Amino acid sequence: AQSVTQPDIHITVSEGASLELRCNYSYGATPYLFWYVQSPGQGLQLLLKYFSGDTLVQGIKGFEAEFKRSQSSFNLRKPSVHWSDAAEYFCAVGAKEYGNKLVFGAGTILRVKS
Amino acid sequence: KAGVTQTPRYLIKTRGQQVTLSCSPISGHRSVSWYQQTPGQGLQFLFEYFSETQRNKGNFPGRFSGRQFSNSRSEMNVSTLELGDSALYLCASSPYGTGDLNGYTFGSGTRLTVV
Repeated sequence: AQSVTQPDIHITVSEGASLELRCNYSYGATPYLFWYVQSPGQGLQLLLKYFSGDTLVQGIKGFEAEFKRSQSSFNLRKPSVHWSDAAEYFCAVGAKEYGNKLVFGAGTILRVKS
Repeated sequence: KAGVTQTPRYLIKTRGQQVTLSCSPISGHRSVSWYQQTPGQGLQFLFEYFSETQRNKGNFPGRFSGRQFSNSRSEMNVSTLELGDSALYLCASSPYGTGDLNGYTFGSGTRLTVV
């Protein structure tokens, strides 16, 4: 069965500190991988995606993620967090074989302390 | 160009009623997918429509249904509402509908509250 695990429900970091949000997946096909961010009451904004090629992907707002096939991971990183980054972050997986359907992780709520 | 538009933004219904939500995809996009987001179950896939045909379906009861029109706009219907149907309903549109997922874009959602 397809599944996505985000092991951290909540993470608190100080403004200016580095950030890493973890994502592990289990999928029966070559995965397409996504990170989305959601502010309260809002929809999902795409931060970055990985389909193929270079395993280090750059996204918007200074985020990057690295695909590691051997570890089935796609962790999101940011070198210096800003207070405006406080939100909920979702990792998602899809595959061409499964059509236009994404399987989402449970989300990680990021709190930024000043 | 305009993004994915979902209407209404907020909705309050009574248990047992039915509700219809609307999603207008990005111009030129032909695939529309629907998701339910709740605090307990997270984000779950409901179904996907492409060229007026349902292509993919999640694990939801038959009370949840949808359709797509020739202009690619989609509606989702929930009949006999239950308290547990309270959720944020998100739709996403995609240009190709082939499982490519490039260009997959979400709307802001419809917040349904069942009382």
